[in-house]
Amino acid sequence: EVQLVESGGGLVQPGGALRLSCAASGFAFRGYEMNWVRQAPGKGLAWIARIGTSGDGIDYVDSVKGRFTISRDNTKKSLYLQMNSLRVEDTGIYYCVRDDRAVMDVWGQGTTVTVSS
Amino acid sequence: DIQMTQSPSSLSASVGDRVTITCQASQDIRKYLNWYQQKPGRAPKLLMYDASTLETGVPSRFSGSGSGRDYTFTISSLQPEDIATYYCQQYDNLPYTFGQGTKLEIK
Repeated sequence: EVQLVESGGGLVQPGGALRLSCAASGFAFRGYEMNWVRQAPGKGLAWIARIGTSGDGIDYVDSVKGRFTISRDNTKKSLYLQMNSLRVEDTGIYYCVRDDRAVMDVWGQGTTVTVSS
Repeated sequence: DIQMTQSPSSLSASVGDRVTITCQASQDIRKYLNWYQQKPGRAPKLLMYDASTLETGVPSRFSGSGSGRDYTFTISSLQPEDIATYYCQQYDNLPYTFGQGTKLEIK
């Protein structure tokens, strides 16, 4: 079964940091680009970042550039999102999403990040 | 960035009704459009890609059409299990961008 399982969410104060992880199984992880997508409470979906198959080809939405870093470890079949200088507006559910030739086709269940003092 | 304008934002319909949602891009996205279904408390699920290609296992009552800037998503006969929020999303250019969503309810 193709599966993505996120972890690492939690409550953090503004200005703090968190590292999200996503464990992939059931498919050839190294052959797919990967993304992070965020959903603020009660709001719509927002793409955050994308990484190429070899860890190159990295792109971010402007609002997280310089604060968030996407990375991957193909040997561990894992995707990561290092989030620094967190803001209240970064609060939401963070989804790990597989990218099949630019189609985001498989989503994890999400991990919740709450930025609050 | 490409802006995606989705309408309506909410929709109430009866079981068996034909339901249509529209999505307009701020520029030509060459049919690089996905449609997702999100049920409450669940992750989004890909229903359709390339504007009109059904993902494997998705019922045939769902369909999509369009080109250029304008796209349509249709449920031919609404079923109770179709209650969800639906999103369009373009993948012609990064950043990928989504429509605001359409919340579909049963009348």
